[in-house]
Amino acid sequence: AQRVTQPEKLLSVFKGAPVELKCNYSYSGSPELFWYVQYSRQRLQLLLRHISRESIKGFTADLNKGETSFHLKKPFAQEEDSAMYYCAPQMDSNYQLIWGAGTKLIIKP
Amino acid sequence: NAGVMQNPRHLVRRRGQEARLRCSPMKGHSHVYWYRQLPEEGLKFMVYLQKENIIDESGMPKERFSAEFPKEGPSILRIQQVVRGDSAAYFCASSPEPGQGFMQYFGPGTRLTVT
Repeated sequence: AQRVTQPEKLLSVFKGAPVELKCNYSYSGSPELFWYVQYSRQRLQLLLRHISRESIKGFTADLNKGETSFHLKKPFAQEEDSAMYYCAPQMDSNYQLIWGAGTKLIIKP
Repeated sequence: NAGVMQNPRHLVRRRGQEARLRCSPMKGHSHVYWYRQLPEEGLKFMVYLQKENIIDESGMPKERFSAEFPKEGPSILRIQQVVRGDSAAYFCASSPEPGQGFMQYFGPGTRLTVT
């Protein structure tokens, strides 16, 4: 079955420290991968997608097909990065997104 | 191009009343998705609709919840006989025809409080 796992429900790091939010998926094909972010009391918005190879707000994500992972990384966390982050692979033939449970990132000053 | 619109932004209902949440997709989008976010929880898919069709309702509770997306007008998520556990933020998203690499665009959400 297609599944996406974000193992950390909560991740807390200090400002300036590196951040890695994990995302693993189970799918035999080649998914398109997205990270969405929800800042406090705001709507969800796209952070980045693998297909465009962008780096947004210092975040990058590398697709590791061998490990079926798409971890989100940032070398130096900022306080404004505190938010809820969702990994959402596009894995089925209907092109629907499969949503992870989300990771709440807290950046401590 | 206005973004996805949802109204009301805040809705208070007493137990047993009906809640109607509206979602107007972005111009040109004919696909709508509804999600629920319980307090301190992640996003949970509820239902996916195209104009006049329910495509996937696997995340909808079997009772009291229904959704529609008529040919004209907004998509409606209806919750009958609300209970305290229905208190949550309800988000809708829209997209153009799904395809590889397509994005969903989210509305600001409706915060439902059941008293």
